[in-house]
Amino acid sequence: QVQLRESGPGLVKPSGTLSLTCGVSGGSISSNNWWNWVRQPPGKGLEWIGEIYHSGTTNYNPSLKTRVTMSVDKSKNYFSLRLSSVTAADTAVYYCATGIVGAPRLNYWGQGTLVTVSS
Amino acid sequence: EIVLTQSPGTLSLSPGERATLSCRATQSVTSNYLAWYQQKPGQAPRLLIYGASIRATGIPDRFSGSGSGTDFTLTISRLEPEDFAVYYCHQYISSPRTFGQGTKVEIK
Repeated sequence: QVQLRESGPGLVKPSGTLSLTCGVSGGSISSNNWWNWVRQPPGKGLEWIGEIYHSGTTNYNPSLKTRVTMSVDKSKNYFSLRLSSVTAADTAVYYCATGIVGAPRLNYWGQGTLVTVSS
Repeated sequence: EIVLTQSPGTLSLSPGERATLSCRATQSVTSNYLAWYQQKPGQAPRLLIYGASIRATGIPDRFSGSGSGTDFTLTISRLEPEDFAVYYCHQYISSPRTFGQGTKVEIK
């Protein structure tokens, strides 16, 4: 069974760049899956950020597209999220999650990591 | 973008009662690519239903999904204490993937 684990700084300064990684165990990053990022501001609902395939193909939420970059590291079996020019509105629990290509419901989720944007 | 609207926002019920949650889409969710997730405080969402009506592995049969096109329903036949949580619908047929705003099922 695939297990996902987010890691990265819990505090980012305004106008800085949020960087997170999601380690994949129990499966290969090169499998036929979309690798997703989803976030949840405190007390609010879920927002899809985007997804990446191991080839590097990406789909981003248009609302964040100008600030988001996702990448894959096949040698280390993880994928990453970078979100630039952050503000307090980007404070959220960030989840990584995965679903199979062709029917990408999100079967597996990481436990989530809280990122706070504050000076 | 497909916008999903869930109703009601909050459902106050007692254990043993039946819960009916609605999810309405602004465009047809073709191939029934509609999922439901359960989220408890401090936890990640858990997949309950996909393909509108297929229970995910290990999900009890008191959870059922139905619907097609733009109208979908999650039913919990008899609420157990562990079912009080927030439920989200999610469409994965088109990009951007989107979620409903959630329905909280709380103990009456």
